[in-house]
Amino acid sequence: AQKITQTQPGMFVQEKEAVTLDCTYDTSDQSYGLFWYKQPSSGEMIFLIYQGSYDEQNATEGRYSLNFQKARKSANLVISASQLGDSAMYFCAMREGSWLFGSGTKLNVKP
Amino acid sequence: SQTIHQWPATLVQPVGSPLSLECTVEGTSNPNLYWYRQAAGRGLQLLFYSVGIGQISSEVPQNLSASRPQDRQFILSSKKLLLSDSGFYLCAWSAGGSSPLHFGNGTRLTVT
Repeated sequence: AQKITQTQPGMFVQEKEAVTLDCTYDTSDQSYGLFWYKQPSSGEMIFLIYQGSYDEQNATEGRYSLNFQKARKSANLVISASQLGDSAMYFCAMREGSWLFGSGTKLNVKP
Repeated sequence: SQTIHQWPATLVQPVGSPLSLECTVEGTSNPNLYWYRQAAGRGLQLLFYSVGIGQISSEVPQNLSASRPQDRQFILSSKKLLLSDSGFYLCAWSAGGSSPLHFGNGTRLTVT
């Protein structure tokens, strides 16, 4: 069955350091998409980055990169040079026909 | 460019009152439309999705309903709100395939 798991309910990182947010998934399909979203305290969901299951290169968008390990079924988000504005909830999501979201990781960036 | 509008931003309603939340998308045609609910500090629960006018799929049985009267309009309704309907409601659209979900700013509903 389709499943997506974020095992870190909360994370702390020092400003300017890199942080990795974990996401594992389970699917029997060969074709699927993996997405990461950021939700600040204001509530809006902001799309950050996408990785297709057939993409051989890890996706990157500015300070965000996705560490895609297909055999391990993991799609971890790496944020480089953390900023105070990165403090938010982060959700991993999978599209395999329908959409499925993880339970989220709350990231706190310390000055 | 595409934009999604969702209103109202906040709403306080008494138990038993009706509900109507509206969402419209601009700059695209035939989008897939979604309603999600998020309890405080929790993940997203898919309530309804629609792939076309008049086509609504419900994921969770409840006292809520959805309608899509026009291609880019998605409405979430209830005839009688329950306390358990309180939460943060998010409308979203997608072009399908590998396109991401794009979310509205959400409606914070408190049922008193």
